[in-house]
Amino acid sequence: QSVLTQPSSVSGAPGQRVSISCSGNSSNIGADFDVHWYQQLPGTAPKLLIFANTKRPSGVADRFSGSKSGTSASLAITGLQAEDEADYYCQSYDRRLSGYVFGAGTKVTVL
Amino acid sequence: QLQLQESGPGQVKPSETLSLTCTVSGGSISSGSYYWGWVRQSPGEGLSWIGSIYYTGSAYYSPSLKSRVTLSVDRSKNQFYLKVTSLTAADTAVYYCARMSDGDFEAVWFGPWGRGTLVTVSS
Repeated sequence: QSVLTQPSSVSGAPGQRVSISCSGNSSNIGADFDVHWYQQLPGTAPKLLIFANTKRPSGVADRFSGSKSGTSASLAITGLQAEDEADYYCQSYDRRLSGYVFGAGTKVTVL
Repeated sequence: QLQLQESGPGQVKPSETLSLTCTVSGGSISSGSYYWGWVRQSPGEGLSWIGSIYYTGSAYYSPSLKSRVTLSVDRSKNQFYLKVTSLTAADTAVYYCARMSDGDFEAVWFGPWGRGTLVTVSS
């Protein structure tokens, strides 16, 4: 059972907006620790997508955006494209577990 | 461009010890204030942090694996290593190495990542 809770799957038509939630608690996200997001395309390694809650690394499309509030964070994908089909993971630090924790991942399907 | 590459045996027997190497190219493992980490992904499962090490050898581990994991580093070879003892089938996973961002300990993220290496624990 992952410490950070994500929906197992979300889907949308091309061009639509989808959002992925990442729910934590007072020992991780709620303790004001940053949330980071990764994209894992099929058969490949994870790739950093969003860091420090809202920041995009160089080369990441501005269709991807992150937000954080209270004990939760969200990743939004606008203008959904076929190439966005992947698994998405959130990550933070957990004070009680004394380590880095990941969500179980959300599979995004483009209809 | 910084690149990381994992290497090691693809299959290990139960109760034995797994040793993996991460080779860093395109940059020095000793530069900056970066930690270097290991993350694994069991088949069909999510990501799980194993541990992280600084080029000086200072390491910290996931509490759930701490008793079985040892990290080490060789600056001359620009490599860092993972050792996991007393393997069981539950340790079957793709093992990734990654650079961790510098900055506050609790705020770091992982990237770039190696391509990963699948390790199967089976007799």
